[in-house]
Amino acid sequence: DAKTTQPPSMDCAEGRAANLPCNHSTISGNEYVYWYRQIHSQGPQYIIHGLKNNETNEMASLIITEDRKSSTLILPHATLRDTAVYYCIVSRSNDYKLSFGAGTTVTVRA
Amino acid sequence: EPEVTQTPSHQVTQMGQEVILRCVPISNHLYFYWYRQILGQKVEFLVSFYNNEISEKSEIFDDQFSVERPDGSNFTLKIRSTKLEDSAMYFCASSDGGRINSPLHFGNGTRLTVT
Repeated sequence: DAKTTQPPSMDCAEGRAANLPCNHSTISGNEYVYWYRQIHSQGPQYIIHGLKNNETNEMASLIITEDRKSSTLILPHATLRDTAVYYCIVSRSNDYKLSFGAGTTVTVRA
Repeated sequence: EPEVTQTPSHQVTQMGQEVILRCVPISNHLYFYWYRQILGQKVEFLVSFYNNEISEKSEIFDDQFSVERPDGSNFTLKIRSTKLEDSAMYFCASSDGGRINSPLHFGNGTRLTVT
């Protein structure tokens, strides 16, 4: 699976959009970009995934660049409950072992 | 919303003892997983299970580990002879596999402490 690079941490103001970048320059054509998050002491939670088109669901939006070498997860209106570690994972399939990196620790401040 | 449940939430055991961690996956799911997270470290894949057999396992999942689906609802991870370095959070996950890229649903984990 391709390696991903994420900033170790970022802060966000409550109510503002949080934009979380991820670089995956070695992604191959059949690999998807997945985002999970882990709120303190809980199990990872699926957020969203995409192949090459932008995706949106009730939790977030995923913007993938045209060359697929990077992506951005957007939390449109961050709340204090969005404080978590966010993981960007590249994998051929979700029904497959997921390689979690260190992720980005996002702190939402009031 | 249905969820993956794990018991116990915290297990303390002595080195060399056997432990069984239990999971009840979401009822219509077909794919099952165990991951672990040593304190302060990354979440690591251990094993995936489908159609009553292991489909993939990591190098961590050695002969001391085994998984079983003893009935239609439970999925267990057994560690035969625990070591200090087995202390970690163990997460069970499941997915329905009914469509490509069905998301994994994780439980909230069992914290295993080996003394």
